[in-house]
Amino acid sequence: GEDVEQSLFLSVREGDSSVINCTYTDSSSTYLYWYKQEPGAGLQLLTYIFSNMDMKQDQRLTVLLNKKDKHLSLRIADTQTGDSAIYFCAEISTGANNLFFGTGTRLTVIP
Amino acid sequence: DSGVTQTPKHLITATGQRVTLRCSPRSGDLSVYWYQQSLDQGLQFLIQYYNGEERAKGNILERFSAQQFPDLHSELNLSSLELGDSALYFCASSVPHGAGLDEQFFGPGTRLTVL
Repeated sequence: GEDVEQSLFLSVREGDSSVINCTYTDSSSTYLYWYKQEPGAGLQLLTYIFSNMDMKQDQRLTVLLNKKDKHLSLRIADTQTGDSAIYFCAEISTGANNLFFGTGTRLTVIP
Repeated sequence: DSGVTQTPKHLITATGQRVTLRCSPRSGDLSVYWYQQSLDQGLQFLIQYYNGEERAKGNILERFSAQQFPDLHSELNLSSLELGDSALYFCASSVPHGAGLDEQFFGPGTRLTVL
């Protein structure tokens, strides 16, 4: 079955860049997603990337995809305290109807 | 605000009981998904409905069932509850764009505590 892995914790100083990494095993992944979960809230879709793309940039967010290594990363530039949350990567593969989520990375931004 | 609503926000009940969680999708979304988020299992897909019909099943226990009604709202029924069923239950809705792109919008969740 699909396996999506993330490191559990990341701490950065306010103003620095954050890089959250994700690895997955499903070679038929078509889309990969990043979701943000703030304390006590549901998941919010941040961005997604199609599997034939290497990079996608959206304001402070940059997604990098290395399909050969099955590695996905989310870079947040100029990280703010409001970025403190749990970040989940997720993938959906060809013919599947549901997302497979990673374990989530808890990002703590230190003022 | 994602446009997906879930009720109740919190639910406290006892082992052996049965509860019903309710979800109203975003206007126009035909698909509804249910997820369970617990400390030990992480975020797991339970079941998906599309326009009233079951489309996909994940790690859903036989004690759990769901349905989607003609007005597209959905209910998740959890019966014979056990302590380990305590978790956050999320509902998400989407309009599939085709070719695998499926932007799911999540509700705020229902926190179930089984005592």
